[in-house]
Amino acid sequence: DGGITQSPKYLFRKEGQNVTLSCEQNLNHDAMYWYRQDPGQGLRLIYYSQIVNDFQKGDIAEGYSVSREKKESFPLTVTSAQKNPTAFYLCASTSYTGGNEAFFGQGTRLTVV
Amino acid sequence: AQTVTQSQPEMSVQEAETVTLSCTYDTSESNYYLFWYKQPPSRQMILVIRQEAYKQQNATENRFSVNFQKAAKSFSLKISDSQLGDTAMYFCAFMKPITQGGSEKLVFGKGTKLTVNP
Repeated sequence: DGGITQSPKYLFRKEGQNVTLSCEQNLNHDAMYWYRQDPGQGLRLIYYSQIVNDFQKGDIAEGYSVSREKKESFPLTVTSAQKNPTAFYLCASTSYTGGNEAFFGQGTRLTVV
Repeated sequence: AQTVTQSQPEMSVQEAETVTLSCTYDTSESNYYLFWYKQPPSRQMILVIRQEAYKQQNATENRFSVNFQKAAKSFSLKISDSQLGDTAMYFCAFMKPITQGGSEKLVFGKGTKLTVNP
């Protein structure tokens, strides 16, 4: 079945450590997105990418980094520079065909311990 | 920059009744997509309904329909015959059409928490 897979579902990080969240899609979508979700804040865009080896900063990119080495993969690294990383992270993808509907992964809950 | 505003942080409705969730947006574009997404307690985001701005006819999906007022930049969601399974966060979202080789943001509102009471 086609879809987006995020892993892990739960992730714990010690302060000062970098951690990488995985996002893989087999929908042949061009665009991929990373969002952060906090209570009362909705979904805030971290980074997005349309093509391999190219990506743009979203509204809250500070303390995060991404790569897009393959069309199917868009990993997000939460660096030690992110001061408040505890949140729920969602990955999404969409395409210029099919009405631009976005498909989402099941999310990763990151907790700093 | 495009913005999306949902002015109702929380709403409740009795089972089988009708409820309307509000959404307004700000853009200078003439062509774009609007979406309503549902996020149940499982936190999986699910597309409820999609509207293309150049289509005047309001989109409908079974019990879900929208009232799209382009001039007023309003995009409300009506849920008829509410069911317990409709309990969820509902997010309104905006996107300019993606073109091949292009890149566009998908912008969300802050959401409305809907509770359907038995």
